[in-house]
Amino acid sequence: GAVVSQHPSRVICKSGTSVKIECRSLDFQATTMFWYRQFPKKSLMLMATSNEGSKATYEQGVEKDKFLINHASLTLSTLTVTSAHPEDSSFYICSARDRAGQSSETQYFGPGTRLLVL
Amino acid sequence: AQSVAQPEDQVNVAEGNPLTVKCTYSVSGNPYLFWYVQYPNRGLQFLLKYITGDNLVKGSYGFEAEFNKSQTSFHLKKPSALVSDSALYFCAVRRLPARQLTFGSGTQLTVLP
Repeated sequence: GAVVSQHPSRVICKSGTSVKIECRSLDFQATTMFWYRQFPKKSLMLMATSNEGSKATYEQGVEKDKFLINHASLTLSTLTVTSAHPEDSSFYICSARDRAGQSSETQYFGPGTRLLVL
Repeated sequence: AQSVAQPEDQVNVAEGNPLTVKCTYSVSGNPYLFWYVQYPNRGLQFLLKYITGDNLVKGSYGFEAEFNKSQTSFHLKKPSALVSDSALYFCAVRRLPARQLTFGSGTQLTVLP
């Protein structure tokens, strides 16, 4: 099946610093990638839709200047949490949709990145 | 607006017994429905989807789901549960324009040995 990777898997940073999370589709091309945030024992909340070669589309209430998204190629999207604060601590998960054929309705998820801001 | 509801936060079942994880949906137009499973500190794994066709959809690891239009439900089922099936299960519905997914609140399944 399609594989999506995320790096790093876990990161601890000081308050005020910026953190970059990478999301890669390893064996397929993804025109669109999605970034989610998940709190403990809670559902996934969509943050933004990342479109290759164009600006990301953010969900209501998500600060685009705080959560910078770049989708520079068909296999890579990055999420940068700028000036991170403890309330940004969470589990961030990306997904990618295979743009080809019948699989295009299925999103494949990365393993997630645990961010802890001290 | 597209939405799904998972009425049970927790489902417990004995190993070997059949399991059902419930999901109801509310959509305008034809529903595109999905089930995903999440193990602790991991991303989501795709189980199955309904787009069109047969109401009974078969997926990974022996799971299946039945699409019921009259009851607006898409319950996840398995004839014989395994302890290794214990995980967090999410129902999701596709919304446009970018085919984003809206997830239900999740159901924690525990299979008891």
